Amino acid sequence: DAGVTQSPTHLIKTRGQQVTLRCSPKSGHDTVSWYQQALGQGPQFIFQYYEEEERQRGNFPDRFSGHQFPNYSSELNVNALLLGDSALYLCASSPPPPGEQFFGPGTRLTVL
Amino acid sequence: GDSVTQMEGPVTLSEEAFLTINCTYTATGYPSLFWYVQYPGEGLQLLLKATKADDKGSNKGFEATYRKETTSFHLEKGSVQVSDSAVYFCSFGNEKLTFGTGTRLTIIP
Repeated sequence: DAGVTQSPTHLIKTRGQQVTLRCSPKSGHDTVSWYQQALGQGPQFIFQYYEEEERQRGNFPDRFSGHQFPNYSSELNVNALLLGDSALYLCASSPPPPGEQFFGPGTRLTVL
Repeated sequence: GDSVTQMEGPVTLSEEAFLTINCTYTATGYPSLFWYVQYPGEGLQLLLKATKADDKGSNKGFEATYRKETTSFHLEKGSVQVSDSAVYFCSFGNEKLTFGTGTRLTIIP
């Protein structure tokens, strides 16, 4: 059984650009959460998707948006990139009702 | 607001030493509590969890007890190994997880 997968593994962008990160949840999981982990810090909750809708949102600006597809996979979009957006972006999936969160390996985003 | 305070690192111990990493939290209600571990270049792995007061989570020799009175969830292991070297995160939540800043643990042979 494949775990949570994320793509790409690494990404380099310049300020002002836009980026899309992708996540495929574990089989049987219907809820996807996204976290940002800055270097040397703990993960910070960005938002959570369930039934193709944003269910909860953390303290992140509107530049951060997401989407969940009918197959439960998800995308994280960040517009107008800032240097401070450089971080490891983690996706976590959970089964109903929702249960425990399983994390993917992350996407390392570097903004130059 | 919701927050987690955990022991700052880095922590360096000799193999077979006793480990304690302190964690306290501020939260509304009685959320589930977790310890996650992150190995270099990898995502987070759930190490153990506790879902209600006085529950003890355990895994791979690690233990932590949900203390409602002191809002704490300290991680302990009786005899650490070199392979335990990693960053450990204390966390809580029922859907949205709130994390501490992490404690880097290095075990010396």
